[in-house]
Amino acid sequence: SQQGEEDPQALSIQEGENATMNCSYKTSINNLQWYRQNSGRGLVHLILIRSNEREKHSGRLRVTLDTSKKSSSLLITASRAADTASYFCANTGKLIFGQGTTLQVKP
Amino acid sequence: DTAVSQTPKYLVTQMGNDKSIKCEQNLGHDTMYWYKQDSKKFLKIMFSYNNKELIINETVPNRFSPKSPDKAHLNLHINSLELGDSAVYFCASSASEAGNTIYFGEGSWLTVV
Repeated sequence: SQQGEEDPQALSIQEGENATMNCSYKTSINNLQWYRQNSGRGLVHLILIRSNEREKHSGRLRVTLDTSKKSSSLLITASRAADTASYFCANTGKLIFGQGTTLQVKP
Repeated sequence: DTAVSQTPKYLVTQMGNDKSIKCEQNLGHDTMYWYKQDSKKFLKIMFSYNNKELIINETVPNRFSPKSPDKAHLNLHINSLELGDSAVYFCASSASEAGNTIYFGEGSWLTVV
């Protein structure tokens, strides 16, 4: 399967804590993207990291990329209840999405 | 204005029926997609169209037939629906270059009974 794998599949934390989600991929990438899906909604783009970048920040989001290990991580700092959603990594060059991490942030 | 809109949002139908899901994007994108998301949230590409031409057709039963009347519309017609077709179907679009951000519709929840 070319599908990426995400770890953990589910994560439950308290508000204010940090959440880290990991993604491994199998095919080559030009960039790796992270998407968020609220319950009952479509996926929304969060952040893109290019293959020649190692780290990128956007607000409370921090993404890292290790092309030698074919892995990426998404860190959400100071989580809020509104961050509760599923998070997917994606190699949109190959139209492949990971299986997602379901994050629950408890108030 | 909704960038990628698809209708209907919910669809409950009996086995053997034929149904269609419509999709429109107002982003000016050349490329449109249909994705299927199963109950485990696994998201799989079904079809990709670029400027009304079929680019990608994954191993999808030929009961599924996409139609693109123009580059802003990509409809999905499903014949002889089966129980296993129950899923959420997402329409999406992007600028034509590979690796661009994909913009998703809100999904169409199909339940076959």
